[in-house]
Amino acid sequence: AQRVTQPEKLLSVFKGAPVELKCNYSYSGSPELFWYVQYSRQRLQLLLRHISRESIKGFTADLNKGETSFHLKKPFAQEEDSAMYYCALSKASGSRLTFGEGTQLTVNP
Amino acid sequence: NAGVTQTPKFQVLKTGQSMTLQCAQDMNHNSMYWYRQDPGMGLRLIYYSASEGTTDKGEVPNGYNVSRLNKREFSLRLESAAPSQTSVYFCASRMQAGVADTQYFGPGTRLTVL
Repeated sequence: AQRVTQPEKLLSVFKGAPVELKCNYSYSGSPELFWYVQYSRQRLQLLLRHISRESIKGFTADLNKGETSFHLKKPFAQEEDSAMYYCALSKASGSRLTFGEGTQLTVNP
Repeated sequence: NAGVTQTPKFQVLKTGQSMTLQCAQDMNHNSMYWYRQDPGMGLRLIYYSASEGTTDKGEVPNGYNVSRLNKREFSLRLESAAPSQTSVYFCASRMQAGVADTQYFGPGTRLTVL
């Protein structure tokens, strides 16, 4: 069975500092990995997915199959980045998403 | 497009009461999902429907039932609510099962069971 682990429940950084939200997964096949973000009292929305190799709002994430990780990074955090971030995994040919526990990011002024 | 809508937004129940959470999507998506969100536990899948006419259990189906009424609507029913079902419930939809695509989420229903 697949599993997603986000080891940090809370992460606090200062504005302008680099930020990295960790995500590790376990799955025997070839997974699809995603990052979702949930701003205060809002619905979850997709931030990025590894197959797109895109940068959204300055965030990037690289799939490291050797380390089974998909860490989310941003070189200069902004206050508006404060939110709950969820890493999620889907089987390449499946429809179910498995979510991690989430990391609450706070960017202090 | 309204996307994914959920009703009600808030609900308070007493232990043993029943209720149905409604979800609808107007994006012609095949797959629909129900999750619950609890602090420190992320989102856990309750039930999902890969296509109209099919439903399957997720990680935490006990105490819930679902109905895929048509392609647009997917309801979640609590037959006898328990305090452990106090949570925020999210509905989501996805274009096609088996395709690496995104899930679109509704605004959530905040349920309290006393």
